Amino acid sequence: EVQLVESGGGLVQPGRSLRLSCATSGFMFSDHAMSWFRQAPGKGLEWLCFIRSNPYGGTTEYAPSVSGRFTISRDDSKRLAYLQMNSLRTEDTGVYYCARGATHASGWFDYWGQGALVTVSS
Amino acid sequence: DIQMTQSPSSVSASVGDRVTITCRASQPINTWLAWYQQKPGKAPKLLIYGASNLQDGVPSRFRGSGSGTDFTLIISTLQAEDVATYFCQHANSFPFTFGPGTKVEIK
Repeated sequence: EVQLVESGGGLVQPGRSLRLSCATSGFMFSDHAMSWFRQAPGKGLEWLCFIRSNPYGGTTEYAPSVSGRFTISRDDSKRLAYLQMNSLRTEDTGVYYCARGATHASGWFDYWGQGALVTVSS
Repeated sequence: DIQMTQSPSSVSASVGDRVTITCRASQPINTWLAWYQQKPGKAPKLLIYGASNLQDGVPSRFRGSGSGTDFTLIISTLQAEDVATYFCQHANSFPFTFGPGTKVEIK
């Protein structure tokens, strides 16, 4: 069974950093792209960043809203994806989801974690 | 960036009704479009990819169509468990963007 589980969310002050982790199981992690999304309270979905599988270069893409502040990475040996979030702003508050790309570099996401709540507030 | 719009923003229909949701891209995206279903408090679920391909395990009452800039998601016979918000997402180029969502309720 494919599973993705986010961790590392919580309350953080503006300007500080936080790192989310996405633990995966049930599939060949190294064969899939990974992405992070967020959903502000009562709002729609926002794509944040994407990392291709290592056979496809392991390269990354970012939404303009987080480029330069957030970093996506992966550790295929641990089956983990990460989201390092720096210089957090109040508008970064929301539920953060990791999701699996359907293939090495796919833009569709066929399995999602349950989400991790990040609250940025003083 | 490619902007995605959806209509209607909400729809109320009876069980057994046909429900149609439309999604429009601000520029042509071929068939680089996915549809997701999100129930309250839950993660999104992939329904359709490549504009018209049904994801494994998704009931056949869900059907996607379209290409270029105009796309449609049809629920052929609405069931109570289909109450959710539906989002389209383009995958034509980065950054990926979502439509604002369509909330489907039972009348």
